[in-house]
Amino acid sequence: GESVGLHLPTLSVQEGDNSIINCAYSNSASDYFIWYKQESGKGPQFIIDIRSNMDKRQGQRVTVLLNKTVKHLSLQIAATQPGDSAVYFCAEKAGGFKTIFGAGTRLFVKA
Amino acid sequence: KAGVTQTPRYLIKTRGQQVTLSCSPISGHRSVSWYQQTPGQGLQFLFEYFSETQRNKGNFPGRFSGRQFSNSRSEMNVSTLELGDSALYLCASSLEGGTSNEKLFFGSGTQLSVL
Repeated sequence: GESVGLHLPTLSVQEGDNSIINCAYSNSASDYFIWYKQESGKGPQFIIDIRSNMDKRQGQRVTVLLNKTVKHLSLQIAATQPGDSAVYFCAEKAGGFKTIFGAGTRLFVKA
Repeated sequence: KAGVTQTPRYLIKTRGQQVTLSCSPISGHRSVSWYQQTPGQGLQFLFEYFSETQRNKGNFPGRFSGRQFSNSRSEMNVSTLELGDSALYLCASSLEGGTSNEKLFFGSGTQLSVL
């Protein structure tokens, strides 16, 4: 079946360090991948996306890497700040009507 | 432009009751999706509506239903509530949804507690 999963459920980093959140997906037909950030008491918010014809995409302090060979997705956050503390979800679409979400990784940023 | 608005923010119900949750999408967005979020199961897709039609449905029992109005506003209903229905219910909107590759815009959710 379809699944999007995460290697690490919890990640703790020091303020100023870089963070890497990993995600594995199983549907090789998926062609659109998205990272969302969810802060306490709020709904998920879009961070960055990438289409399957790309390997890397950069935003402000964030980079998403896609490795289709091993069906792996990662989110890199540069110079992690306390405001980055949240739960991060990877998500995928395979041309269907629904976006499938992974289990989520909680990021703790230590001051 | 206003974001996705969900009401009410919190709900407390007892087993056997029914509940209706409301979602107003971002202006101009025609696709509305609903998700159930629980600590154990994460974000689970419920259904997606576009132009008042349900285009896709997740693996939930028939007690979960929804509808969309001509102004794209959507409601979901859960009948005969069970303890396991306690969750955060999230609504998300996008311009076209469906097979297009679009990001979702989420509301803050309705936290439902079933006692």
